[in-house]
Amino acid sequence: GEQVEQRPPHLSVREGDSAVIICTYTDPNSYYFFWYKQEPGAGLQLLMKVFSSTEINEGQGFTVLLNKKDKQLSLNLTAAHPGDSAVYFCAVSPLPGTGSNRLTFGKGTKFSLIP
Amino acid sequence: GPKVLQIPSHQIIDMGQMVTLNCDPVSNHLYFYWYKQILGQQMEFLVNFYNGKVMEKSKLFKDQFSVERPDGSYFTLKIQPTALEDSAVYFCASSFRDWYAEQFFGPGTRLTVL
Repeated sequence: GEQVEQRPPHLSVREGDSAVIICTYTDPNSYYFFWYKQEPGAGLQLLMKVFSSTEINEGQGFTVLLNKKDKQLSLNLTAAHPGDSAVYFCAVSPLPGTGSNRLTFGKGTKFSLIP
Repeated sequence: GPKVLQIPSHQIIDMGQMVTLNCDPVSNHLYFYWYKQILGQQMEFLVNFYNGKVMEKSKLFKDQFSVERPDGSYFTLKIQPTALEDSAVYFCASSFRDWYAEQFFGPGTRLTVL
């Protein structure tokens, strides 16, 4: 089955710096890709969903890049601020019509600001 | 935004007892999910449920596990009997459709089996 490796597990930067979290997946049939943010005591909040072969999506304070050729998904946090401190998870799901819509998650990256 | 609620937030029980975890999904959602996260490990899919039926389950969804959503009330995960390895955080999620749809997650129930 699908396996998703996420790195790094921990990431600390100074306010205003940028940071990159990368996920690598194994199943070439994975089709939909998601980034979630989890703050303490809260559920996962969707940041971005992407599909298609190569896509760059910009959100508020971050950019997501999908590279299907290399089976890699990345989240680039630009100009980090205190509200960005959280655990970030990538997740992938298979092609529609395969009978499955389960999400396979990475292990998460705990992101924090260096005081 | 839409919220998924989970009750209780923490549950401590003795091995062999039964436990029911409750999830209040987003009101117009049709698909419901449970995921399990053991401390320090990945969140893993357990089961999804639609129209009163289990649509897909993983190998983690043991025979001791069952799900239901009677009459549009809570979506529940029951474990009977519990085992030590069931200790984990269980996340409920719901979505409006089954593909390319955001799964909205609850905050999780931390289950500790002694």
